[in-house]
Amino acid sequence: DAGVIQSPRHEVTEMGQEVTLRCKPISGHDYLFWYRQTMMRGLELLIYFNNNVPIDDSGMPEDRFSAKMPNASFSTLKIQPSEPRDSAVYFCASSLLGRHEQFFGPGTRLTVL
Amino acid sequence: AQSVAQPEDQVNVAEGNPLTVKCTYSVSGNPYLFWYVQYPNRGLQFLLKYITGDNLVKGSYGFEAEFNKSQTSFHLKKPSALVSDSALYFCAVRDEGNTPLVFGKGTRLSVIA
Repeated sequence: DAGVIQSPRHEVTEMGQEVTLRCKPISGHDYLFWYRQTMMRGLELLIYFNNNVPIDDSGMPEDRFSAKMPNASFSTLKIQPSEPRDSAVYFCASSLLGRHEQFFGPGTRLTVL
Repeated sequence: AQSVAQPEDQVNVAEGNPLTVKCTYSVSGNPYLFWYVQYPNRGLQFLLKYITGDNLVKGSYGFEAEFNKSQTSFHLKKPSALVSDSALYFCAVRDEGNTPLVFGKGTRLSVIA
């Protein structure tokens, strides 16, 4: 298995632009998680899905952030409009119920100028 | 609610010496405990987990961790450190339900040749 796949790996954009981050979980996994990592705040859980349904989005910082999972093999995290304080590394992770551990993707490094 | 504390931001150890990275937790009920490692510009990689059974858990790359219920600790250990072990280490906990992992802030391990 290729593991969790994220794209793009790096994104540089200007303030006010829309940013879309993509994630393909490990085939067969039924949980998907989006995290944000910064030096100041560490690793933060933004939202997670179970069987494509959002379960908890309380970690989404603002209405500018939205996430979807249209099917079991694809999820997006969108920021519109983006701001410099959104600059961070965004990770996607997936897990299989009963296996407990999460498997992380390589992350997307977002820089908002 | 569950929580994790990693009391040391940085741990320095000489190559060949034993290493310990500390973790304490708080959770209702029985804990599920995990250690992850993050190398520069990479996602988090699963090292080991404690779910039930033997308090000493062995994982990848020669790492092990000891679950201590009375001290609510799950310290990561390795008998002989390698320079290549230098990385950021995260402890995580969840309860018995299907709740997401709660991560500590991470401990940066530096192994000096």
